[in-house]
Amino acid sequence: DTAVSQTPKYLVTQMGNDKSIKCEQNLGHDTMYWYKQDSKKFLKIMFSYNNKELIINETVPNRFSPKSPDKAHLNLHINSLELGDSAVYFCASSPGTRREQYFGPGTRLTVT
Amino acid sequence: EDQVTQSPEALRLQEGESSSLNCSYTVSGLRGLFWYRQDPGKGPEFLFTLYSAGEEKEKERLKATLTKKESFLHITAPKPEDSATYLCAVQPYGSSNTGKLIFGQGTTLQVKP
Repeated sequence: DTAVSQTPKYLVTQMGNDKSIKCEQNLGHDTMYWYKQDSKKFLKIMFSYNNKELIINETVPNRFSPKSPDKAHLNLHINSLELGDSAVYFCASSPGTRREQYFGPGTRLTVT
Repeated sequence: EDQVTQSPEALRLQEGESSSLNCSYTVSGLRGLFWYRQDPGKGPEFLFTLYSAGEEKEKERLKATLTKKESFLHITAPKPEDSATYLCAVQPYGSSNTGKLIFGQGTTLQVKP
């Protein structure tokens, strides 16, 4: 059983396009996150949601808009894609903000 | 500024050759320190959480320890399947209500048979 799942696994698109990444967790967790991992493998938090409410926006460009339709889902929509957006995006969830986080398999986004 | 530095960046070991990975941190009050393992093309996999200096956690060939300035991940008699990138992350007290983790750049471990 997949705990945290993301779709798609790979996303190749051109500059200026709009794309979405979906995330679902079946762990019953209250808190969900989006992270960006750059080419040097450095992992940085982008957004944090607790009970569908946004609690972190780490100075991410407003071209990135997360949406949480319910506690089990957190989607990421990206407008006007730029070359610098190319990275691996990870969704994660945790049973509260002070506990360990469980990561999805990642979505590799390539902007050409 | 809160910061996490891992060393070495890369480590090559022979099977059975024990060693340690270091995670040094500077935070305004440590709420918790987390170790993760990441295999190529996959998401980070949770290993341990440490909350206070002197605490130790073990799992199979891995043992994590914590002091007030750093954490070590000791690998005893490693096997090729232990090859992965090991990530360290800290949660400052000020971030405990948001879940924010600050990650180090990772140590890539290769264990040769």
